[in-house]
Amino acid sequence: DGGITQSPKYLFRKEGQNVTLSCEQNLNHDAMYWYRQDPGQGLRLIYYSQIVNDFQKGDIAEGYSVSREKKESFPLTVTSAQKNPTAFYLCASQTGADTQYFGPGTRLTVL
Amino acid sequence: KNQVEQSPQSLIILEGKNCTLQCNYTVSPFSNLRWYKQDTGRGPVSLTIMTFSENTKSNGRYTATLDADTKQSSLHITASQLSDSASYICVVFLLGDMRFGAGTRLTVKP
Repeated sequence: DGGITQSPKYLFRKEGQNVTLSCEQNLNHDAMYWYRQDPGQGLRLIYYSQIVNDFQKGDIAEGYSVSREKKESFPLTVTSAQKNPTAFYLCASQTGADTQYFGPGTRLTVL
Repeated sequence: KNQVEQSPQSLIILEGKNCTLQCNYTVSPFSNLRWYKQDTGRGPVSLTIMTFSENTKSNGRYTATLDADTKQSSLHITASQLSDSASYICVVFLLGDMRFGAGTRLTVKP
């Protein structure tokens, strides 16, 4: 998993709750990414951050929020505004040479 | 319409057999193309990376090919093993962006 950790591995959320997914990397990578994976679909970009204290919306940012206060950490919050949050969430970090490393993922299920 | 199309969507083969997975893309400008292996419930792991000028890249029993003119890539798996059962994802890296295929689900049966 290339020095990227995600926690928890499994997460359950009740309707109306916000939950936060953790992503930590010790690879000294500047760029970090959050993707959502649904069955039969390619990974879709939620948010990305090229540098500390800066982040950009991806293709499906609605209902999600992020922060990048430290280079090593890029937590993703799934808010109650996300109407269909059940999915597999993948965090990745990247070197300048397009080498992207993925974390082990978090499976979020809405009860 | 996804700009990176993979086929087949799923594939079942017997242990020891070879198989080839396809990836066709329409996006540009092209930087490089990667094949990832993703075990169920795990994050993707990079298998190969090819730049515009590379036609073939091998990693053990995995061999990737790239035809940048026709925008096609393939991943050939030789002498398949049960541990090859996974999803294989084609990712096209553009200049400052990337596009993911939906993946091919490979099942290797004894």
